[in-house]
Amino acid sequence: GIQVEQSPPDLILQEGANSTLRCNFSDSVNNLQWFHQNPWGQLINLFYIPSGTKQNGRLSATTVATERYSLLYISSSQTTDSGVYFCAVGSRLTFGEGTQLTVNP
Amino acid sequence: EAQVTQNPRYLITVTGKKLTVTCSQNMNHEYMSWYRQDPGLGLRQIYYSMNVEVTDKGDVPEGYKVSRKEKRNFPLILESPSPNQTSLYFCASSLRGGAGWNGYTFGSGTRLTVV
Repeated sequence: GIQVEQSPPDLILQEGANSTLRCNFSDSVNNLQWFHQNPWGQLINLFYIPSGTKQNGRLSATTVATERYSLLYISSSQTTDSGVYFCAVGSRLTFGEGTQLTVNP
Repeated sequence: EAQVTQNPRYLITVTGKKLTVTCSQNMNHEYMSWYRQDPGLGLRQIYYSMNVEVTDKGDVPEGYKVSRKEKRNFPLILESPSPNQTSLYFCASSLRGGAGWNGYTFGSGTRLTVV
């Protein structure tokens, strides 16, 4: 099956800092999503981005399908950005292990 | 509002007592799926359904049953729950298999504890 690797596994930032999260996947895919799992456990869909670049406020994402990776950018981070960020790929959604982000005030 | 609704949100039960976690979506999606999330193991697919009356096993189907009698509903059934089924469960749906034009929508999760 498809392998999904996310990096870094943990990230600690000061409020206001920028960050880049990476997702590598082992095979070509027709679906890639980024999710944020908040402290209450809810999975929030951030981007559906099988290719190209999208932006939503302080967040943006880029997927280079031919090179099998995706990047999630968080600018001017806020404490409410804390949580786990997951990349998931493929028609049946294979999840990476996530990046645990902590934003300190 | 377009959404996937799971119930209950929290459940504590005893070993062997049959239970059902309900999942309903109001987006006319063809594809529905169940996942469980465990520390250190991530999110793993239990069962999925491509359409009404079409279901198939995911990566960890043992101990679970599903049915898809209507397009909007996809209940997860634990016939005889055991403590190793203590987990956070998510239901998800998509316009069609392969995600469709905007990916998967997830429910809010069901935190199940089996004692």
